[in-house]
Amino acid sequence: EAGVAQSPRYKIIEKRQSVAFWCNPISGHATLYWYQQILGQGPKLLIQFQNNGVVDDSQLPKDRFSAERLKGVDSTLKIQPAKLEDSAVYLCASSLSPSSYEQYFGPGTRLTVT
Amino acid sequence: AQKITQTQPGMFVQEKEAVTLDCTYDTSDQSYGLFWYKQPSSGEMIFLIYQGSYDEQNATEGRYSLNFQKARKSANLVISASQLGDSAMYFCAMREGTGNQFYFGTGTSLTVIP
Repeated sequence: EAGVAQSPRYKIIEKRQSVAFWCNPISGHATLYWYQQILGQGPKLLIQFQNNGVVDDSQLPKDRFSAERLKGVDSTLKIQPAKLEDSAVYLCASSLSPSSYEQYFGPGTRLTVT
Repeated sequence: AQKITQTQPGMFVQEKEAVTLDCTYDTSDQSYGLFWYKQPSSGEMIFLIYQGSYDEQNATEGRYSLNFQKARKSANLVISASQLGDSAMYFCAMREGTGNQFYFGTGTSLTVIP
């Protein structure tokens, strides 16, 4: 079974530029999560999708971050414009359903904003 | 207040010895789940073990066991017979009730010494 795929693995941009990350969850997983992990901290949930609907985006900085999951499969997370404090690893995870206790994580995208 | 507290930034253990990684949590919910994840240097979060708040027995998964002390609100991870491949960051996490938020601790870096 293929795992959660993310791309790119690394990205370096200047502040005020835009960036997009892509995630393809495990086949059949209805729930998809985006997390932000700042160096030295644990992951923080940004947004959770159930199929193509948003379940929770209370921690998403909506003035600059956006995410979508068209057709309920893969998802993109965008930052526009980026700030220095957005430097972090962005992790995507999926699970069969919101009540599933096991989440499967992708390898992450390491973003550096200079 | 922090939902998850991991007080050990770094731990060292001799190969083949057992090690305990500490985790305390804070919740007023009666129903919650506790998780441990491993994050190697590659960045991917790997699910290790789960304990439900109503589970009477401590969870075990191979060399991993969770020492669940409900009254003390602690969920320590015990790794028996440590191996060099166990060197990684370890994160404790909690999900309250049927809520969507996963709360992660700041992690403990474990180094296994040959």
